[in-house]
Amino acid sequence: QEQLVQSGMEVKKPGATVTVSCAASGFRFSDYYIHWVRQVPGQGLEWMGWIHPNGRVTEYAQSFQGRVTMTRDTSFSTAYMELRRLTSDDTAVYYCARDPPTEQTFDLWGQGTLVTVSS
Amino acid sequence: EIVMTQSPLSLPVTPGEPASISCRSSQSLLKSSGYIYLDWYLQKPGRSPQVLISLGSNRASGVPDRFSGSASGTDFTLNISRVEPEDVGVYYCMQALQPPWTFGQGTKVEIK
Repeated sequence: QEQLVQSGMEVKKPGATVTVSCAASGFRFSDYYIHWVRQVPGQGLEWMGWIHPNGRVTEYAQSFQGRVTMTRDTSFSTAYMELRRLTSDDTAVYYCARDPPTEQTFDLWGQGTLVTVSS
Repeated sequence: EIVMTQSPLSLPVTPGEPASISCRSSQSLLKSSGYIYLDWYLQKPGRSPQVLISLGSNRASGVPDRFSGSASGTDFTLNISRVEPEDVGVYYCMQALQPPWTFGQGTKVEIK
């Protein structure tokens, strides 16, 4: 069964750093782009960026430039998203999503990770 | 950045009746390959989004054939031929032509 399983809920203080993981199973992880999308409670979807299957190339939305780093570890079939200098505006559910090369479609999503930023 | 605009934002529907959601992009989503990089997603209450339609009109694997997508220039439509109670949720269009990938505001579909 193909799935992406994300790490659990996080509570962070303003200024802290959070890392969310996304573990793949049931498919060849190294064939796919991994995107990250976030959703502030009660609001819509916001694309954060992607990491290439080779793990060496990333592209980030401008609004996250300088604060986000996306990595992946093929040996563990896991992708990671690190977000730094958190503020209350970063309170959201963070999703990873799989994107087959040449399709540019999110055909499989993780279950989401709620990150709460509060003093 | 490509701006995606959906309408309506709220859509009360009657089971068994058809429904339609519109999405407009601020520029063409047609690539030189001939493909249109527009997807439709459904986010059911409390769940992760799931793809319904990719490349403007390709129904994703496992998606019921009552869902269909059409594309014309910068205008896109998601049609549900006969709404089922399990179709409630928020529908999003998304452009995947160029980064940043951008979503419409979402259309909340609920049963009357």
